[in-house]
Amino acid sequence: GIQVEQSPPDLILQEGANSTLRCNFSDSVNNLQWFHQNPWGQLINLFYIPSGTKQNGRLSATTVATERYSLLYISSSQTTDSGVYFCAVYLGNSGAGSYQLTFGKGTKLSVIP
Amino acid sequence: SQTIHQWPATLVQPVGSPLSLECTVEGTSNPNLYWYRQAAGRGLQLLFYSVGIGQISSEVPQNLSASRPQDRQFILSSKKLLLSDSGFYLCAWIHFRGRAGNEQFFGPGTRLTVL
Repeated sequence: GIQVEQSPPDLILQEGANSTLRCNFSDSVNNLQWFHQNPWGQLINLFYIPSGTKQNGRLSATTVATERYSLLYISSSQTTDSGVYFCAVYLGNSGAGSYQLTFGKGTKLSVIP
Repeated sequence: SQTIHQWPATLVQPVGSPLSLECTVEGTSNPNLYWYRQAAGRGLQLLFYSVGIGQISSEVPQNLSASRPQDRQFILSSKKLLLSDSGFYLCAWIHFRGRAGNEQFFGPGTRLTVL
């Protein structure tokens, strides 16, 4: 099956710093999503981005589908950005009814004041 | 707008006891529904998915089962819990948006501790 690798696995930032999280995937994908899991466990949708670039406030994401990677940029980090960031991809070959996402293992971000 | 609920939020159960976790979705009809488990160490494992009432597909053979008695209700069950069933259980649904792309959304989760 498809492999999804995220780096770095852990990241500690000083408040106000910028960071880049990376997601590599081993096959062509139809869909790609970035999620933030907050310290209470809630998975929050950040971006749906199978290709191109999107921005939402201090966060932006870029997916280069032909080179099989996606990047999540966090600028001017805040303590509320702490948590685990997941990349998840969908191949498109698991049947129209199932739509199964494959998740990376996540990047654990800690923003310290 | 669509909302996904999970009940209960936390649960502590003894080994060998039964389990029933509930997931309900509001604001949509005939959703694809999913159960994931997240053990300590972050990875999400897909357990079951359902494309309609009474239709369940299992991804991982184990001590758990799922049922979909109503269009917007998805139940995760076990007859006898094991220690290894401890974890964070997440329910999810798919928003099919045609050319705009399909996006998965998650409920708040149930944290299960088996003692």
